[in-house]
Amino acid sequence: AQSVSQHNHHVILSEAASLELGCNYSYGGTVNLFWYVQYPGQHLQLLLKYFSGDPLVKGIKGFEAEFIKSKFSFNLRKPSVQWSDTAEYFCAVNARNRDDKIIFGKGTRLHILP
Amino acid sequence: DAGVTQSPTHLIKTRGQQVTLRCSPKSGHDTVSWYQQALGQGPQFIFQYYEEEERQRGNFPDRFSGHQFPNYSSELNVNALLLGDSALYLCASSLWQGSAYEQYFGPGTRLTVT
Repeated sequence: AQSVSQHNHHVILSEAASLELGCNYSYGGTVNLFWYVQYPGQHLQLLLKYFSGDPLVKGIKGFEAEFIKSKFSFNLRKPSVQWSDTAEYFCAVNARNRDDKIIFGKGTRLHILP
Repeated sequence: DAGVTQSPTHLIKTRGQQVTLRCSPKSGHDTVSWYQQALGQGPQFIFQYYEEEERQRGNFPDRFSGHQFPNYSSELNVNALLLGDSALYLCASSLWQGSAYEQYFGPGTRLTVT
């Protein structure tokens, strides 16, 4: 069965610190990978996605993620976080099949200190 | 272009009652998926509708049922509500794009069962 594991449940950083949120997935076939963000009081938004091609994916607001197939990982990074990055971040995966559901990790709550 | 809309925003029900949640997909999308997000958890897939048929189902009991209308909008019905059904219910719409697809999420309906 597909699964997604996010390494950190709660991360606290100061502004300008670098960020890396870990994500590993379990699935035997070809996958699409996503990072979603949920800002306080707002709905789930797509931060970035990987379908194919360059494994280093750039998303909105300066975020990027790297797909490492051999490690089944899709870690999210940002070189310098801002207070406005305070949110919950979800890593997600689905099979390369239009009928397949998205499997989400449990999320990482990121709190940025001003 | 309106995104995914859901109604109502909030709902309070009593154990044993039935509830219907509604979703209108993003313009041009033909597939609707429903997710349940319990407090502190990532969204969990309930089921997906395409061409007015349930195409895939997650690990949810038969108390959870749905429907898709010819205009692609969808309803989620939950019968015999339990306290554990309290959650944010998310609707996501999508459209096939080549070999992969991306789901757009609505703001959700917050269901509280007392």
